[in-house]
Amino acid sequence: DSGVTQTPKHLITATGQRVTLRCSPRSGDLSVYWYQQSLDQGLQFLIQYYNGEERAKGNILERFSAQQFPDLHSELNLSSLELGDSALYFCASSVGGTGGMNTEAFFGQGTRLTVV
Amino acid sequence: AQSVSQHNHHVILSEAASLELGCNYSYGGTVNLFWYVQYPGQHLQLLLKYFSGDPLVKGIKGFEAEFIKSKFSFNLRKPSVQWSDTAEYFCAVNRRGSQGNLIFGKGTKLSVKP
Repeated sequence: DSGVTQTPKHLITATGQRVTLRCSPRSGDLSVYWYQQSLDQGLQFLIQYYNGEERAKGNILERFSAQQFPDLHSELNLSSLELGDSALYFCASSVGGTGGMNTEAFFGQGTRLTVV
Repeated sequence: AQSVSQHNHHVILSEAASLELGCNYSYGGTVNLFWYVQYPGQHLQLLLKYFSGDPLVKGIKGFEAEFIKSKFSFNLRKPSVQWSDTAEYFCAVNRRGSQGNLIFGKGTKLSVKP
């Protein structure tokens, strides 16, 4: 158990819908990262929050957004869903928010999103 | 842009065979390097990491990796694989001084035949 909790584990929804994925980081970790894992794209970095503020953006679509709350949990919102958004969405957390020491990331179990 | 290349998409070995998985990264500055493993249906787990110091790092489950700066490489090795090593292996890098997000390679699927 990595200490990173993601809910729900599985989600099936229809095209055009909106869903929210939730992540609770390890105790003491200030950074939360969201990744999308699909067969064709591999593991793609979406977005990072550090202590409540957006820190870095990767290949995140405009239909997607995220936030980190004062208790440090994070939510990833996916809207106007398309079939191609079906993927495994991982949340990871780390102590720091920079590329220095202690930036190893611990991953949650992921949320498998299926858009039908 | 920073990128990570893993040369082998799928490697099939028999038990007790030796393993070497290649990983090259494109960034020339100071980097932190990682290997993660993903067992079927599971989340990513850290196998080993390199931040600085001895370029030969040892990780869990008998894995090790060698950082060769001149070759921008961080290859993963294990002298004798077991059936339980069947998994997907990901090399990742983050850049010192960056925001810390990991850039991953496409992964190498390892199948070990009993």
